[in-house]
Amino acid sequence: AQRVTQPEKLLSVFKGAPVELKCNYSYSGSPELFWYVQYSRQRLQLLLRHISRESIKGFTADLNKGETSFHLKKPFAQEEDSAMYYCALSESGANSKLTFGKGITLSVRP
Amino acid sequence: GAVVSQHPSRVICKSGTSVKIECRSLDFQATTMFWYRQFPKQSLMLMATSNEGSKATYEQGVEKDKFLINHASLTLSTLTVTSAHPEDSSFYICSARDKGTGKETQYFGPGTRLLVL
Repeated sequence: AQRVTQPEKLLSVFKGAPVELKCNYSYSGSPELFWYVQYSRQRLQLLLRHISRESIKGFTADLNKGETSFHLKKPFAQEEDSAMYYCALSESGANSKLTFGKGITLSVRP
Repeated sequence: GAVVSQHPSRVICKSGTSVKIECRSLDFQATTMFWYRQFPKQSLMLMATSNEGSKATYEQGVEKDKFLINHASLTLSTLTVTSAHPEDSSFYICSARDKGTGKETQYFGPGTRLLVL
């Protein structure tokens, strides 16, 4: 069965500090990995997906199949990055479902 | 961008009554919609996958007779919590996959908070 692990519940950093939100997964096939973000009082929204290989709002995430990780990184945190972040995994193929990690709260202090 | 709405945003009901929650894709067609449940400070747990024109696929441990799902059109899926009890109180979130793009991206609704007294 597929599983997504986000080992930390909370990360608090000062503005300008680097951020790394950890995500590990277990899945026997070739997964698709995502990071979703939920800002205060807003709905869950896609931040980035590994197959896009793009940087969104300064965030990047690299899929490391050897370590089965998909950590989210940003070199310089901003206050507006404060939110709940969820790592998610989807099986490849149509109609595949998402399995979410428990999420981590990122708090960026001024 | 793709927008998913849910109605109502909040509902309070008495124990034993049934509650219907609607999930709509406003500017795209969704052959597949998903229903999640989220407890306070916990992750989203998938309840069921709703496919247009066919029966929903429920996750293990989710009672299909308790949580009725109807996906009657490409833009609407409904979740009915039947004979609701206080333990059904939760935050219910739907998501929809855009048929047109064929991508795996799911677009999420704002959620419905259910409180059963």
